[in-house]
Amino acid sequence: EAQVTQNPRYLITVTGKKLTVTCSQNMNHEYMSWYRQDPGLGLRQIYYSMNVEVTDKGDVPEGYKVSRKEKRNFPLILESPSPNQTSLYFCASTSFGQGENGNTIYFGEGSWLTVV
Amino acid sequence: AQSVAQPEDQVNVAEGNPLTVKCTYSVSGNPYLFWYVQYPNRGLQFLLKYITGDNLVKGSYGFEAEFNKSQTSFHLKKPSALVSDSALYFCAVRLEGGSYIPTFGRGTSLIVHP
Repeated sequence: EAQVTQNPRYLITVTGKKLTVTCSQNMNHEYMSWYRQDPGLGLRQIYYSMNVEVTDKGDVPEGYKVSRKEKRNFPLILESPSPNQTSLYFCASTSFGQGENGNTIYFGEGSWLTVV
Repeated sequence: AQSVAQPEDQVNVAEGNPLTVKCTYSVSGNPYLFWYVQYPNRGLQFLLKYITGDNLVKGSYGFEAEFNKSQTSFHLKKPSALVSDSALYFCAVRLEGGSYIPTFGRGTSLIVHP
């Protein structure tokens, strides 16, 4: 089954304590991305990756890091979380092929992060 | 540059009535257009997409959307709404042959009343 899996699903942490949200996809997709969803602001892209070792900033990259050492994994790192990073985070992936599922974005179930 | 507008934050409709969720877009070329649905406490799920071909696209759960190039619109429709259709709907666009990065609208909350 095609899946994007992210963990943890729910996390409460304290300001300044480094955390990592993992993301893994089993569809051999080239493109992966992280979004945050906040009320009234919709989805905002944090970082994206076009392929292994290729990452770039999205619209709201401040306070986040990513890495793409393997095609299937794209972890999101908060080196020093702050309360304004309290949000719902989604990992997503897609391929750019012309097949039936080409260009369809698959999303993880979301990670609720609270920074106190 | 590419952008998407969902002009309504919320759409209310009675069960059994037709529904429309509006989306307009702006790209400097041919668009790829998408609709996604988000149920409470869930991730976004793919509903349908327009890449090329027939302007009327049929998708999951009885939804359809019509690509209108002259009006740069891709409105989501369903002939008869169900209470279970109540969710948050996102329209997205990316440019054919472009940077592959999709742009999402802010979302429209659909509420179907019994």
